[in-house]
Amino acid sequence: DTGVSQNPRHKITKRGQNVTFRCDPISEHNRLYWYRQTLGQGPEFLTYFQNEAQLEKSRLLSDRFSAERPKGSFSTLEIQRTEQGDSAMYLCASSLGGGYTGNTIYFGEGSWLTVV
Amino acid sequence: DQQVKQNSPSLSVQEGRISILNCDYTNSMFDYFLWYKKYPAEGPTFLISISSIKDKNEDGRFTVFLNKSAKHLSLHIVPSQPGDSAVYFCAATLTGNQFYFGTGTSLTVIP
Repeated sequence: DTGVSQNPRHKITKRGQNVTFRCDPISEHNRLYWYRQTLGQGPEFLTYFQNEAQLEKSRLLSDRFSAERPKGSFSTLEIQRTEQGDSAMYLCASSLGGGYTGNTIYFGEGSWLTVV
Repeated sequence: DQQVKQNSPSLSVQEGRISILNCDYTNSMFDYFLWYKKYPAEGPTFLISISSIKDKNEDGRFTVFLNKSAKHLSLHIVPSQPGDSAVYFCAATLTGNQFYFGTGTSLTVIP
C-alpha cells in the first residue's frame, strides 16, 4: 500500500490550455474524491466516485471540468480552457466505503496547478 | 457559505504544553467530524475523528471533544511537540460522501 498517488505534482500552463491530472487511489478503496484547495482555504469538495460511477458533483465543477474513473481504479480530472482562477491545489482522496468511522478518507499529496 | 469555521488562523504554544484548536459548524445535521493535519506542499493527513453520538474521542496525545448543543468541536494535543507544528483542518459530513472543511489553524510549537 503506497497511499494515494497523484501526478503531475506541479503543472504550469498558459491560460486557455487544457490540463489533466491523474489519481491512483489506495488499491482496495472503492471511493475516490476530488477536492480543490486555494491559498488560505480548506479543501473544497468537487466530486466523488463509487467504483466507476460519478455519484455527486459540486457546483464548483463547471462545464470546463470533467472527471472520470473508467475502470473503477485510477481517475483523471481534466480542466479545459484553463483560467487564472483555476490555479489551486487539486487533491484526490480515497476511502473504503463512505467516509464514516473506519472508512476515513485518505488524501494524496495534491497536484499544484498554476495558470499564467 | 462556510459551514465549518476555524476562527483562529494561527496558534503558538510552548513545547510540552497543551494545544487547543477550535472549530465551529452551522449544520446541525452533520454527524461525523474529523481533524486533519497538513504540512506544506503535502496533502492533509487524517488525525482523529468523532461520531456525533459521542462527545469525546481519544487517541494517544490527541483528544477531540464535541459539543453538539454549541455546534463546536475542539482538538486537544497534550503534550505538544515541535513535530506537531502544521496546519490543522477540521471537517464535517452528514452523508459520508461530501466533507466540509474549515479554513485551517496554523499551529506552531515552540521548543
